[in-house]
Amino acid sequence: GENVEQHPSTLSVQEGDSAVIKCTYSDSASNYFPWYKQELGKRPQLIIDIRSNVGEKKDQRIAVTLNKTAKHFSLHITETQPEDSAVYFCAALHMEYGNKLVFGAGTILRVKS
Amino acid sequence: GAGVSQTPSNKVTEKGKYVELRCDPISGHTALYWYRQSLGQGPEFLIYFQGTGAADDSGLPNDRFFAVRPEGSVSTLKIQRTERGDSAVYLCASSSSGGSQETQYFGPGTRLLVL
Repeated sequence: GENVEQHPSTLSVQEGDSAVIKCTYSDSASNYFPWYKQELGKRPQLIIDIRSNVGEKKDQRIAVTLNKTAKHFSLHITETQPEDSAVYFCAALHMEYGNKLVFGAGTILRVKS
Repeated sequence: GAGVSQTPSNKVTEKGKYVELRCDPISGHTALYWYRQSLGQGPEFLIYFQGTGAADDSGLPNDRFFAVRPEGSVSTLKIQRTERGDSAVYLCASSSSGGSQETQYFGPGTRLLVL
């Protein structure tokens, strides 16, 4: 089955700096890669996703890149703000395995003001 | 509109007891998912419903876990003979039709503590 690894496990940045979180996946047939943000005690919320037919997607300060050859994808947050502090999870979906998302272990992002 | 809701928000039980966790998906969503999230980990898939039927239950850890969705809307996750290792946050998610690459919207979860 699919396996997703996520790095780093914790990340501290100064307000205004950029943050990058990286994930690798094992199954080359995976074709959908969402990113979720989870604040303490709250539900995971989708912030951006990318499908395997594109290499990059951007939404304001957030962007995701996908390298299918290397089987890795990354989340980029620019001009970080204190409210970006949360746990971020990447995930991969392989439609032949049904609709189950396989999640990484998460990255705790702290934005220091 | 209303998002995915789950009840109870917290559940404390004793080892060996039976518990039921409820999920109300977004209205009109035919696909419903259960995940389990242990402390410091990402959610792990348990089961996926398409309508009333379980399309994929490969993530259920053992036969103490069972889920139903009798009318294709509300779902109940049932855990028999609970063990301390079952303590986790149980998350429910729904998507509109269960098609490939659909966004899964999560509920707030039920925090289960087995003493």
